[in-house]
Amino acid sequence: DTGVSQDPRHKITKRGQNVTFRCDPISEHNRLYWYRQTLGQGPEFLTYFQNEAQLEKSRLLSDRFSAERPKGSFSTLEIQRTEQGDSAMYLCASSSGQFGKTEAFFGQGTRLTVV
Amino acid sequence: DQQVKQNSPSLSVQEGRISILNCDYTNSMFDYFLWYKKYPAEGPTFLISISSIKDKNEDGRFTVFLNKSAKHLSLHIVPSQPGDSAVYFCAAADTGGGNKLTFGTGTQLKVEL
Repeated sequence: DTGVSQDPRHKITKRGQNVTFRCDPISEHNRLYWYRQTLGQGPEFLTYFQNEAQLEKSRLLSDRFSAERPKGSFSTLEIQRTEQGDSAMYLCASSSGQFGKTEAFFGQGTRLTVV
Repeated sequence: DQQVKQNSPSLSVQEGRISILNCDYTNSMFDYFLWYKKYPAEGPTFLISISSIKDKNEDGRFTVFLNKSAKHLSLHIVPSQPGDSAVYFCAAADTGGGNKLTFGTGTQLKVEL
């Protein structure tokens, strides 16, 4: 399978705990994006990487959120001191970044429930 | 503010007929537009895209039309099939801004037998 892979698929955590999600992009893609989707809404941009460099962060990404992409390969998204409002589907996507190739391909997402 | 709008939350169409899904945008910097299809508990699946230098792009049963002056795009599916039943998201990108996507809120399409 050469698509975008996310782990875990589901995560239930207690309020105040830290969680970490992993994304493995399509291997030849140098751009990696994180989005968040809540019920009834479209995905909302959180942050993106070009290779290992984090180039943009949305104002949605509070100080409790941190993302990394060491060596420009897989990426992790950590949420510290989770709150109930963090409950959402977290989606990872990758794209080639080539001119004219704007399509991003999404993983199946990680469903986070904070109780 | 909602820069990409899908004003129809749902659409019901008979099998074999045409489905037309609409999308409006407000940001003049958007120059690339995409449609994604999403099933429950899965990530969005890319369907078709169009650059702002074109007004139409076709791929099999799917055609996307872009009207730049009206800041409007539409997705036509013909003929519609029951397997097309899903939520369809319109997305837009400013390719000078890292290609991050701004999504609409989606339209639930139901294709009935």
